[in-house]
Amino acid sequence: GQQLNQSPQSMFIQEGEDVSMNCTSSSIFNTWLWYKQEPGEGPVLLIALYKAGELTSNGRLTAQFGITRKDSFLNISASIPSDVGIYFCAGQGQAGTALIFGKGTTLSVSS
Amino acid sequence: EAGVVQSPRYKIIEKKQPVAFWCNPISGHNTLYWYLQNLGQGPELLIRYENEEAVDDSQLPKDRFSAERLKGVDSTLKIQPAELGDSAVYLCASSPRRGSTDTQYFGPGTRLTVL
Repeated sequence: GQQLNQSPQSMFIQEGEDVSMNCTSSSIFNTWLWYKQEPGEGPVLLIALYKAGELTSNGRLTAQFGITRKDSFLNISASIPSDVGIYFCAGQGQAGTALIFGKGTTLSVSS
Repeated sequence: EAGVVQSPRYKIIEKKQPVAFWCNPISGHNTLYWYLQNLGQGPELLIRYENEEAVDDSQLPKDRFSAERLKGVDSTLKIQPAELGDSAVYLCASSPRRGSTDTQYFGPGTRLTVL
C-alpha cells in the first residue's frame, strides 16, 4: 500500500543532542500526525497538526505541517534515554479516513 | 479515561488454523480501525467502521479475513484459515468525530505468529 517517505531510517545519538526527522509525500494531506512506538506496544500519539504552516510543541518535541501540505518534520530537543523508540509520521486526507504511515525512524540514545 | 483495549496480546497458531482478535475502543469513539503492521513497517489499514457500518474494507483480504462490529462498539477480526504470511501485529484504533478533523488512538496490538 501507499506509504510516506520518512527519513532518516535510523539514528544513533548521544544523550542531550537534538534530533530531526521528516516525512514527505506525493499527495496532499489535511492532517499530519507523529506517533512513537515502543517494543510490544501500539503507536502513541505525540503531536497532531491540522493546518499548513502550523508549528506545534509538546514538551521537548516540536513538529511542523509543511506549507505545501506534502511534508512534515519532528524535532526532539535535548534527547534523553527514554526517547528511544520508533517514530512514525502519518498523513490523513479526509477526516476519518485511514492514516498513511511512513516506515518509521528508529531512535537510539546512548547516555 | 481507558484506552483502546485489545486481546489477546499474543497468539501463536499453526497454519490453516482460525484465529480471532478482539478490540474495545475508547468510550464514545464512533470510528474504529483495524491495521496490520508488518515488521519494520508502519501500520496499514485493513478495515474502517463508522459505528456498525464497514465504510472502507478495500484492503481486507476477504477470502480469509472477516470483521464485525455488531453493536457499533467492540469489534472482532477473524482469519480463517491463517497462513504463514499473516504473522504480524494487528492493531486496533479508534477516533471520535470532531467536525472536520480527528485523531486516532491505538491499542497495544495483538502479535500473531503463524507456524
